[in-house]
Amino acid sequence: AQSVSQHNHHVILSEAASLELGCNYSYGGTVNLFWYVQYPGQHLQLLLKYFSGDPLVKGIKGFEAEFIKSKFSFNLRKPSVQWSDTAEYFCAVNAPSGTYKYIFGTGTRLKVLA
Amino acid sequence: EAQVTQNPRYLITVTGKKLTVTCSQNMNHEYMSWYRQDPGLGLRQIYYSMNVEVTDKGDVPEGYKVSRKEKRNFPLILESPSPNQTSLYFCASSPAPYTEAFFGQGTRLTVV
Repeated sequence: AQSVSQHNHHVILSEAASLELGCNYSYGGTVNLFWYVQYPGQHLQLLLKYFSGDPLVKGIKGFEAEFIKSKFSFNLRKPSVQWSDTAEYFCAVNAPSGTYKYIFGTGTRLKVLA
Repeated sequence: EAQVTQNPRYLITVTGKKLTVTCSQNMNHEYMSWYRQDPGLGLRQIYYSMNVEVTDKGDVPEGYKVSRKEKRNFPLILESPSPNQTSLYFCASSPAPYTEAFFGQGTRLTVV
């Protein structure tokens, strides 16, 4: 069965620290990949997405992610986090491509200390 | 303003009492979906729809029904709610599967 793994469930960082959140998926075919962010008490918002082309994707608020097909990974990075990045981050896979079937990871709660 | 609207935002109900959570989008999107969010489990897809009268099961469809009679509306129906359906529910819509999903504000359902 398809699955998405986010290995870090809780991450605590100080402001200005670098961030990398892991995401691995299990699906052998073509996929579309997403990172969403959920600020406290709010709905999910798209950070960035990948469906083809350059495997290094840049999103909003200084976030980027790299798709490594051989590793089935789509890790999220930010060189310098801010207190306002405190939120829960979800990796998601749309597969099979062409359907509207989505699998989300269990999420990573990020807390940034001022 | 482009948005996905869910109603109600909060609902407490009793076991077995049928309920409907409405979802409406004003962006003319073909694709719509329902999710439930539970602590430690992330979001799990309940049902999705790729067009009017076209629906399919997600990962956790048991105990839920949906219908898509109009493009803008995608209600979630719980015929006989049970306490294990206590959760936070989100509706989402997209113009295409590989594009951004626009989420509603969520419906917090408690079944006692």
